[in-house]
Amino acid sequence: TQLLEQSPQFLSIQEGENLTVYCNSSSVFSSLQWYRQEPGEGPVLLVTVVTGGEVKKLKRLTFQFGDARKDSSLHITAAQPGDTGLYLCAGAPTTSGTYKYIFGTGTRLKVLA
Amino acid sequence: EPEVTQTPSHQVTQMGQEVILRCVPISNHLYFYWYRQILGQKVEFLVSFYNNEISEKSEIFDDQFSVERPDGSNFTLKIRSTKLEDSAMYFCASSDKYRMSEQYFGPGTRLTVT
Repeated sequence: TQLLEQSPQFLSIQEGENLTVYCNSSSVFSSLQWYRQEPGEGPVLLVTVVTGGEVKKLKRLTFQFGDARKDSSLHITAAQPGDTGLYLCAGAPTTSGTYKYIFGTGTRLKVLA
Repeated sequence: EPEVTQTPSHQVTQMGQEVILRCVPISNHLYFYWYRQILGQKVEFLVSFYNNEISEKSEIFDDQFSVERPDGSNFTLKIRSTKLEDSAMYFCASSDKYRMSEQYFGPGTRLTVT
């Protein structure tokens, strides 16, 4: 069974600080997605990483896929209160033709003004 | 910007009743999915659907669940005889054939079984 563990589970920081959240597995994924979910809403896709070592930037958010495609990180620079939310990673297993996502446990971020 | 829509936003039903959850995927997408999220738990895969048939299903998706694409726009999840433990948020997602790994999620239907 493929699992994705995210850390930390909870993070509370001051506005302007930097932070990194991690998504780790012992399994290889063909791609990894990061989502943000607000309470009572569906996950909103932020980015997809596919190649080992790939780095993608989305404004103040930097996403990296591990070289072995088993882990990923999300770094936020100068966090703002609007970044508050639940960040989820989701991996697509390497089985050919399978796109069922395995979701991570989530990191709940709170940015204080 | 195109988005996945789901109806109803909240469904309350009695145990043993049948419910149908409806989704309208993004119009040019060909791959459709249902996930569920029990309160406080992880999002879990239920089923994927392509070319009018189930591609893959999880162990959660037992005989009481079924999916259908009754027309060119709707994608439905039916639960034949609901149980208390079916109470959850149900999310529909879709992806296109060029970027199958990028799944776009709807806002969800909150199902409450009493």
